[in-house]
Amino acid sequence: AQKITQTQPGMFVQEKEAVTLDCTYDTSDPSYGLFWYKQPSSGEMIFLIYQGSYDQQNATEGRYSLNFQKARKSANLVISASQLGDSAMYFCAMREGFIIQGAQKLVFGQGTRLTINP
Amino acid sequence: DAGVIQSPRHEVTEMGQEVTLRCKPISGHDYLFWYRQTMMRGLELLIYFNNNVPIDDSGMPEDRFSAKMPNASFSTLKIQPSEPRDSAVYFCASSPGLAGGKTQYFGPGTRLLVL
Repeated sequence: AQKITQTQPGMFVQEKEAVTLDCTYDTSDPSYGLFWYKQPSSGEMIFLIYQGSYDQQNATEGRYSLNFQKARKSANLVISASQLGDSAMYFCAMREGFIIQGAQKLVFGQGTRLTINP
Repeated sequence: DAGVIQSPRHEVTEMGQEVTLRCKPISGHDYLFWYRQTMMRGLELLIYFNNNVPIDDSGMPEDRFSAKMPNASFSTLKIQPSEPRDSAVYFCASSPGLAGGKTQYFGPGTRLLVL
């Protein structure tokens, strides 16, 4: 079974609108972490935001927020006030296991290509 | 501070040749990761090291692939012999100890094409 599912292969949004990128995950581990990365056309992987399974509040980083719904096993990325520079591939990833025990391995979803239209 | 450094950025080689990819992690980072990205398989972890010791190499596709980390500031991923299906972008990433469970910093990648 897929550990990370991103159901939107592509999305088109008007500049300045908010956008939500979907991510669902599958794990039976009580401790896990969820990540979002951005990959622009230049190819580098840019870390955006992290949410731990025990975090009480949704993570936020500037215009990025993570809508974490634990019972539904979803970790959607919300980008507010989208900009042309937000056009890129976006990857959701999960780490299973306790950090304190050295868990580090990330499993990535297939990605969503976001295009911001002027 | 310099980020993760990878070389070469692009590599074109012929089937059967040996390929060596290099990575310099961010200074002070305890963990180093090698990933491969292809259209078919997406982004997948090949191997990772902690304090220069390989921890999990279950993602290494076959014996043709090997990785080493002789010291804290250098790692190599070697493919011998290379095959066309090895064509991909190979990323190196590093993370600062336990905090790496929350963040991994990626290098710019090496785009490998095997003819």
